[in-house]
Amino acid sequence: KQEVTQIPAALSVPEGENLVLNCSFTDSAIYNLQWFRQDPGKGLTSLLLIQSSQREQTSGRLNASLDKSSGRSTLYIAASQPGDSATYLCAVIIQGSARQLTFGSGTQLTVLP
Amino acid sequence: GAVVSQHPSRVICKSGTSVKIECRSLDFQATTMFWYRQFPKQSLMLMATSNEGSKATYEQGVEKDKFLINHASLTLSTLTVTSAHPEDSSFYICGTVGPSGNTIYFGEGSWLTVV
Repeated sequence: KQEVTQIPAALSVPEGENLVLNCSFTDSAIYNLQWFRQDPGKGLTSLLLIQSSQREQTSGRLNASLDKSSGRSTLYIAASQPGDSATYLCAVIIQGSARQLTFGSGTQLTVLP
Repeated sequence: GAVVSQHPSRVICKSGTSVKIECRSLDFQATTMFWYRQFPKQSLMLMATSNEGSKATYEQGVEKDKFLINHASLTLSTLTVTSAHPEDSSFYICGTVGPSGNTIYFGEGSWLTVV
């Protein structure tokens, strides 16, 4: 059974810092990996999607990498801003599945002004 | 991107009553809909997968008679929590595969409080 783990569970940084969020998964037979943002009491916003054949994806200040063989992904946030404060979730879709996502427990990020 | 609308966003109901949550795909046909539940400070757990015109597939430990899922059309899936209890209070969110077949798009989620 696929398990997704995110470290750290919570992170607090001063504004302007670059930071890295970590995600690991136990089964490397994934179809793709997605990073989501969840604001308190809200739904999910898709940030980046990395196909299993890709190594990284970039969008603005965000960069996500994928090392499928080691079962790891990182989300790099450059020049963090208070508006980046949210919970960040990574999720994987297993190969051959009906596209269900298996989520990690999330990293709660607080960017202090 | 694809738009998925979920309603209601918040609902409070009395213990023993039933509550229906709707999930609509607004600009594409959603053949498959996923229903997740999230307890406070926990991650999202898949409850069931519904396919248009057929019975939903429930994850282990999820009572199909308590969480009724209907996916009668390509744009609407519903989750009905029957005989709700306070322990059913949670955040419920639907998601579906977008037109590209790769990205999962989610509704806004529904907060259910059972009193």
